[in-house]
Amino acid sequence: KQEVTQIPAALSVPEGENLVLNCSFTDSAIYNLQWFRQDPGKGLTSLLLIQSSQREQTSGRLNASLDKSSGRSTLYIAASQPGDSATYLCAIRTNAGKSTFGDGTTLTVKP
Amino acid sequence: KAGVTQTPRYLIKTRGQQVTLSCSPISGHRSVSWYQQTPGQGLQFLFEYFSETQRNKGNFPGRFSGRQFSNSRSEMNVSTLELGDSALYLCASSRVDNTEAFFGQGTRLTVV
Repeated sequence: KQEVTQIPAALSVPEGENLVLNCSFTDSAIYNLQWFRQDPGKGLTSLLLIQSSQREQTSGRLNASLDKSSGRSTLYIAASQPGDSATYLCAIRTNAGKSTFGDGTTLTVKP
Repeated sequence: KAGVTQTPRYLIKTRGQQVTLSCSPISGHRSVSWYQQTPGQGLQFLFEYFSETQRNKGNFPGRFSGRQFSNSRSEMNVSTLELGDSALYLCASSRVDNTEAFFGQGTRLTVV
């Protein structure tokens, strides 16, 4: 059974800092990994999708990496801004089509 | 291009009642998945539909059911509501199965 862990559960940084969010998973037989952000009481917004055959994806200030052999993914956020404050979730999708989400990391960026 | 639309946005029901939630996927998307999100359990997978067929199911009791129509719109039904069913129910669509998923804003269900 796939288990997804996100550490830390919460993170507070000053504006402008670069930061890394972590996502680890137990079963390396994945189809893809997707990073989302969620604002309080809202749905999830897709940030980056990494296919199993890829090592990383970039979008603006965001960079996500995938290392299947170690069961890890990281989301790097450059030059953080208060608007980046949200909960960040990673989701692992298996070949069978089932998705497992981590519990998320709640990020607070202080002005 | 319209996103994933979930209706209603908010709902209050009484224990024992049943409820139906609706999800309209992004145009051209054929896969729809449903999730339950609660503070204690996080995001949990309910089921996934692709071309009107249920492809995957999570570990929820039979009170939770769903269906998908020929236009890819999906409905989720919960019968005999319990207090513990209070949650944010999220729907996600993707073009085909196993591609990038896009989520709706969710339906906030409160059972009293």
